[in-house]
Amino acid sequence: DVKVTQSSRYLVKRTGEKVFLECVQDMDHENMFWYRQDPGLGLRLIYFSYDVKMKEKGDIPEGYSVSREKKERFSLILESASTNQTSMYLCASLPPGERAEAFFGQGTRLTVV
Amino acid sequence: SQELEQSPQSLIVQEGKNLTINCTSSKTLYGLYWYKQKYGEGLIFLMMLQKGGEEKSHEKITAKLDEKKQQSSLHITASQPSHAGIYLCGATMLTSYDKVIFGPGTSLSVIP
Repeated sequence: DVKVTQSSRYLVKRTGEKVFLECVQDMDHENMFWYRQDPGLGLRLIYFSYDVKMKEKGDIPEGYSVSREKKERFSLILESASTNQTSMYLCASLPPGERAEAFFGQGTRLTVV
Repeated sequence: SQELEQSPQSLIVQEGKNLTINCTSSKTLYGLYWYKQKYGEGLIFLMMLQKGGEEKSHEKITAKLDEKKQQSSLHITASQPSHAGIYLCGATMLTSYDKVIFGPGTSLSVIP
Protein backbone atom coordinates (compact mmCIF):
# COMPACT_ATOMS: atom_id res chain seq x y z
CA ASP A 1 0.00 0.00 0.00
CA VAL A 2 1.11 3.52 -0.75
CA LYS A 3 1.83 5.48 2.33
CA VAL A 4 1.91 9.20 2.74
CA THR A 5 2.98 10.09 6.23
CA GLN A 6 2.73 13.49 7.86
CA SER A 7 4.98 13.99 10.83
CA SER A 8 2.39 15.34 13.25
CA ARG A 9 -1.37 14.95 13.67
CA TYR A 10 -1.71 17.94 15.96
CA LEU A 11 0.54 20.93 16.42
CA VAL A 12 0.25 24.09 18.51
CA LYS A 13 2.63 26.94 17.76
CA ARG A 14 2.98 30.55 18.83
CA THR A 15 2.56 33.53 16.55
CA GLY A 16 5.86 34.38 14.88
CA GLU A 17 7.36 30.93 15.22
CA LYS A 18 8.89 29.16 12.23
CA VAL A 19 6.95 25.96 11.62
CA PHE A 20 7.93 22.90 9.60
CA LEU A 21 5.37 20.39 8.40
CA GLU A 22 6.92 17.26 7.01
CA CYS A 23 5.48 14.81 4.50
CA VAL A 24 7.05 11.56 3.33
CA GLN A 25 5.78 9.17 0.66
CA ASP A 26 7.11 5.71 -0.05
CA MET A 27 6.04 5.16 -3.66
CA ASP A 28 8.64 7.16 -5.57
CA HIS A 29 6.02 9.59 -6.86
CA GLU A 30 7.28 12.69 -8.63
CA ASN A 31 4.34 14.91 -7.80
CA MET A 32 3.65 16.07 -4.27
CA PHE A 33 1.20 18.65 -2.98
CA TRP A 34 0.39 20.67 0.10
CA TYR A 35 -3.19 21.77 0.72
CA ARG A 36 -4.91 23.51 3.55
CA GLN A 37 -8.49 22.74 4.40
CA ASP A 38 -10.85 25.23 6.00
CA PRO A 39 -14.60 24.96 6.63
CA GLY A 40 -16.61 26.08 3.63
CA LEU A 41 -13.51 26.52 1.47
CA GLY A 42 -12.56 22.94 0.81
CA LEU A 43 -8.97 22.07 0.00
CA ARG A 44 -6.86 24.89 -1.37
CA LEU A 45 -3.54 24.23 -3.00
CA ILE A 46 -0.59 25.97 -1.36
CA TYR A 47 2.41 24.60 -3.25
CA PHE A 48 3.25 21.58 -5.34
CA SER A 49 6.37 19.96 -6.65
CA TYR A 50 7.05 17.96 -9.81
CA ASP A 51 10.47 16.72 -8.83
CA VAL A 52 13.37 17.19 -6.47
CA LYS A 53 14.18 20.88 -6.02
CA MET A 54 11.23 21.83 -8.23
CA LYS A 55 8.36 23.80 -6.76
CA GLU A 56 5.35 25.64 -8.08
CA LYS A 57 3.01 28.05 -6.34
CA GLY A 58 -0.53 26.95 -5.91
CA ASP A 59 -3.52 29.17 -5.27
CA ILE A 60 -2.55 30.49 -1.82
CA PRO A 61 1.25 30.45 -1.44
CA GLU A 62 1.54 33.66 0.61
CA GLY A 63 3.13 33.10 3.99
CA TYR A 64 4.43 29.66 3.03
CA SER A 65 7.47 28.15 1.43
CA VAL A 66 8.41 24.58 0.59
CA SER A 67 11.44 22.38 0.31
CA ARG A 68 11.96 19.24 -1.75
CA GLU A 69 15.54 18.07 -1.27
CA LYS A 70 14.70 14.40 -1.62
CA LYS A 71 12.07 12.80 -3.81
CA GLU A 72 10.21 11.20 -0.95
CA ARG A 73 10.04 14.24 1.29
CA PHE A 74 8.12 17.48 0.78
CA SER A 75 8.23 20.04 3.57
CA LEU A 76 5.91 22.97 4.11
CA ILE A 77 7.40 25.91 5.98
CA LEU A 78 5.57 28.70 7.71
CA GLU A 79 8.25 31.36 7.99
CA SER A 80 6.46 33.32 10.71
CA ALA A 81 3.27 31.63 11.83
CA SER A 82 0.16 33.75 12.13
CA THR A 83 -3.24 32.97 13.61
CA ASN A 84 -4.86 32.95 10.16
CA GLN A 85 -2.70 29.96 9.33
CA THR A 86 -4.57 27.86 11.86
CA SER A 87 -5.93 25.10 9.69
CA MET A 88 -5.84 21.46 8.68
CA TYR A 89 -2.89 20.79 6.38
CA LEU A 90 -2.96 17.84 4.00
CA CYS A 91 -0.12 16.43 1.95
CA ALA A 92 -0.68 14.34 -1.17
CA SER A 93 1.35 12.52 -3.78
CA LEU A 94 0.38 11.59 -7.32
CA PRO A 95 2.04 9.24 -9.81
CA PRO A 96 3.30 11.12 -12.89
CA GLY A 97 1.42 10.80 -16.16
CA GLU A 98 -0.96 8.19 -14.85
CA ARG A 99 -4.60 8.80 -14.30
CA ALA A 100 -4.58 7.29 -10.87
CA GLU A 101 -5.61 8.53 -7.51
CA ALA A 102 -3.78 11.07 -5.41
CA PHE A 103 -2.76 9.58 -2.08
CA PHE A 104 -3.24 11.68 1.02
CA GLY A 105 -1.64 11.80 4.41
CA GLN A 106 -3.71 11.87 7.58
CA GLY A 107 -3.44 15.59 7.93
CA THR A 108 -1.86 17.93 10.46
CA ARG A 109 -4.15 20.14 12.47
CA LEU A 110 -2.13 23.25 13.20
CA THR A 111 -3.23 25.79 15.76
CA VAL A 112 -1.37 29.09 15.98
CA VAL A 113 -1.93 30.95 19.23
CA SER B 1 -14.87 31.78 -6.93
CA GLN B 2 -13.96 28.14 -6.92
CA GLU B 3 -13.14 26.26 -10.11
CA LEU B 4 -15.11 23.32 -8.78
CA GLU B 5 -18.51 23.79 -7.18
CA GLN B 6 -20.31 21.20 -5.11
CA SER B 7 -23.94 20.95 -4.12
CA PRO B 8 -25.44 20.66 -1.68
CA GLN B 9 -23.08 22.11 0.88
CA SER B 10 -24.48 19.80 3.52
CA LEU B 11 -26.99 17.01 3.63
CA ILE B 12 -28.84 15.20 6.37
CA VAL B 13 -30.61 12.03 5.34
CA GLN B 14 -32.37 9.27 7.15
CA GLU B 15 -30.73 5.88 7.09
CA GLY B 16 -31.89 3.87 4.11
CA LYS B 17 -32.58 6.86 1.89
CA ASN B 18 -30.84 7.56 -1.41
CA LEU B 19 -28.92 10.76 -2.02
CA THR B 20 -26.98 12.56 -4.74
CA ILE B 21 -24.08 14.98 -4.53
CA ASN B 22 -23.09 17.08 -7.53
CA CYS B 23 -19.80 18.52 -8.69
CA THR B 24 -19.62 21.12 -11.44
CA SER B 25 -16.80 22.79 -13.32
CA SER B 26 -16.88 25.71 -15.72
CA LYS B 27 -14.00 24.12 -17.61
CA THR B 28 -13.56 20.74 -19.24
CA LEU B 29 -11.97 18.32 -16.87
CA TYR B 30 -9.20 15.88 -17.60
CA GLY B 31 -9.99 13.57 -14.71
CA LEU B 32 -12.49 13.67 -11.88
CA TYR B 33 -11.92 12.14 -8.45
CA TRP B 34 -14.27 11.48 -5.59
CA TYR B 35 -12.90 11.28 -2.07
CA LYS B 36 -14.47 10.76 1.30
CA GLN B 37 -13.12 12.27 4.48
CA LYS B 38 -14.01 11.28 7.99
CA TYR B 39 -14.12 14.35 10.19
CA GLY B 40 -10.62 15.52 11.09
CA GLU B 41 -8.86 12.84 9.09
CA GLY B 42 -7.22 12.35 5.71
CA LEU B 43 -8.95 11.63 2.42
CA ILE B 44 -10.02 8.19 1.26
CA PHE B 45 -10.13 7.58 -2.47
CA LEU B 46 -13.50 6.42 -3.79
CA MET B 47 -13.42 6.58 -7.57
CA MET B 48 -11.85 8.23 -10.56
CA LEU B 49 -13.63 9.03 -13.81
CA GLN B 50 -11.93 10.11 -16.97
CA LYS B 51 -14.09 9.41 -19.98
CA GLY B 52 -17.17 11.42 -20.88
CA GLY B 53 -20.27 9.44 -19.97
CA GLU B 54 -18.31 7.11 -17.70
CA GLU B 55 -20.02 5.54 -14.72
CA LYS B 56 -18.44 3.54 -11.91
CA SER B 57 -19.88 1.80 -8.91
CA HIS B 58 -18.44 0.49 -5.71
CA GLU B 59 -20.73 -1.16 -3.22
CA LYS B 60 -23.61 1.30 -2.83
CA ILE B 61 -21.87 4.30 -4.34
CA THR B 62 -22.15 5.22 -8.03
CA ALA B 63 -20.33 8.08 -9.71
CA LYS B 64 -21.01 9.46 -13.17
CA LEU B 65 -19.22 11.94 -15.40
CA ASP B 66 -21.26 13.74 -18.04
CA GLU B 67 -20.44 13.63 -21.74
CA LYS B 68 -19.02 17.15 -21.70
CA LYS B 69 -16.77 16.26 -18.76
CA GLN B 70 -17.87 19.27 -16.76
CA GLN B 71 -20.23 17.70 -14.28
CA SER B 72 -20.17 14.66 -12.04
CA SER B 73 -22.63 13.16 -9.62
CA LEU B 74 -22.14 10.80 -6.72
CA HIS B 75 -25.13 8.72 -5.80
CA ILE B 76 -25.47 6.68 -2.62
CA THR B 77 -28.16 4.05 -2.45
CA ALA B 78 -29.72 3.00 0.83
CA SER B 79 -27.48 5.20 2.96
CA GLN B 80 -25.95 3.93 6.18
CA PRO B 81 -24.33 5.70 9.13
CA SER B 82 -20.95 4.54 7.79
CA HIS B 83 -21.50 6.78 4.77
CA ALA B 84 -21.37 9.90 6.95
CA GLY B 85 -18.49 12.26 6.32
CA ILE B 86 -17.34 14.91 3.92
CA TYR B 87 -17.39 14.09 0.22
CA LEU B 88 -14.94 15.99 -1.93
CA CYS B 89 -14.65 16.06 -5.67
CA GLY B 90 -11.22 16.73 -7.07
CA ALA B 91 -10.22 17.27 -10.66
CA THR B 92 -7.35 17.69 -13.01
CA MET B 93 -7.84 20.12 -15.86
CA LEU B 94 -6.82 19.77 -19.47
CA THR B 95 -4.36 22.62 -19.05
CA SER B 96 -2.75 21.29 -15.88
CA TYR B 97 -3.35 17.59 -15.59
CA ASP B 98 -0.76 17.03 -12.91
CA LYS B 99 -2.39 19.41 -10.44
CA VAL B 100 -5.42 18.30 -8.49
CA ILE B 101 -7.89 20.95 -7.36
CA PHE B 102 -10.84 20.35 -5.08
CA GLY B 103 -14.37 21.49 -4.56
CA PRO B 104 -15.50 22.84 -1.17
CA GLY B 105 -16.95 19.51 -0.06
CA THR B 106 -20.37 18.21 0.92
CA SER B 107 -20.96 17.24 4.52
CA LEU B 108 -23.20 14.19 4.84
CA SER B 109 -24.92 13.10 8.02
CA VAL B 110 -26.97 9.92 8.16
CA ILE B 111 -29.44 9.66 11.00
CA PRO B 112 -30.96 6.38 12.21
